[in-house]
Amino acid sequence: DAVMTQSPLSLPVTLGQPASISCRSSQSLVYSDGDTYLNWFQQRPGQSPRRLIYKVSNRDSGVPDRFSGSGSGTDFTLKISRVEAEDVGVYYCMQGTHWPRTFGQGTKVEIK
Amino acid sequence: VQLQQWGAGLLKPSETLSLTCAVYGGSFSGFYWSWIRQPPGKGLEWIGEINHSGSTNYNPSLKSRVTISVDTSKKQFSLKLRSVTAADTAVYYCASYDFWGQGTLVTVSS
Repeated sequence: DAVMTQSPLSLPVTLGQPASISCRSSQSLVYSDGDTYLNWFQQRPGQSPRRLIYKVSNRDSGVPDRFSGSGSGTDFTLKISRVEAEDVGVYYCMQGTHWPRTFGQGTKVEIK
Repeated sequence: VQLQQWGAGLLKPSETLSLTCAVYGGSFSGFYWSWIRQPPGKGLEWIGEINHSGSTNYNPSLKSRVTISVDTSKKQFSLKLRSVTAADTAVYYCASYDFWGQGTLVTVSS
């Protein structure tokens, strides 16, 4: 299995300040078609997960542009340029290149 | 697109978990439809997926107990997990990754 390792697991952030979450895969996530299937999800308390980013850096419809994804191969990053109160929750990376699909452990973002 | 899921929320050990997810709006064909679970207070675990023609992929950790099926005429897909134990207690989600169901808490307790 492709093991996804996130860091940090807890991220206290001041409102208006940037935040960054790292996700590393134990295997390259480049698929045979040349695309890299790395997703980022946000799960607010008591809600279903919501996809923010697909294929490393593509924002889903309705996702604020303060969220951005980057990376390649095995190393990926989710950045929030200026954290807002509504960004509190747990963030997961998930790879869709290999079976079984696997998630990172989650990073809990909270306001200081 | 909206995903609406339903199924029994309380099971006894050794029983079979059964959940169904209906897809409203959008196309059903051309996508893989997934089941994902989340034990209380823990992270997300991928269970498996199916496409409109019935092609499936399962998590090897659950493969011996899982069956995912599809009814294309109703735009529904279903999950069966046999011989459940307390370790299967979780919120179960149906999803296409860009769209998610509301989640169903399934508790296994004698």
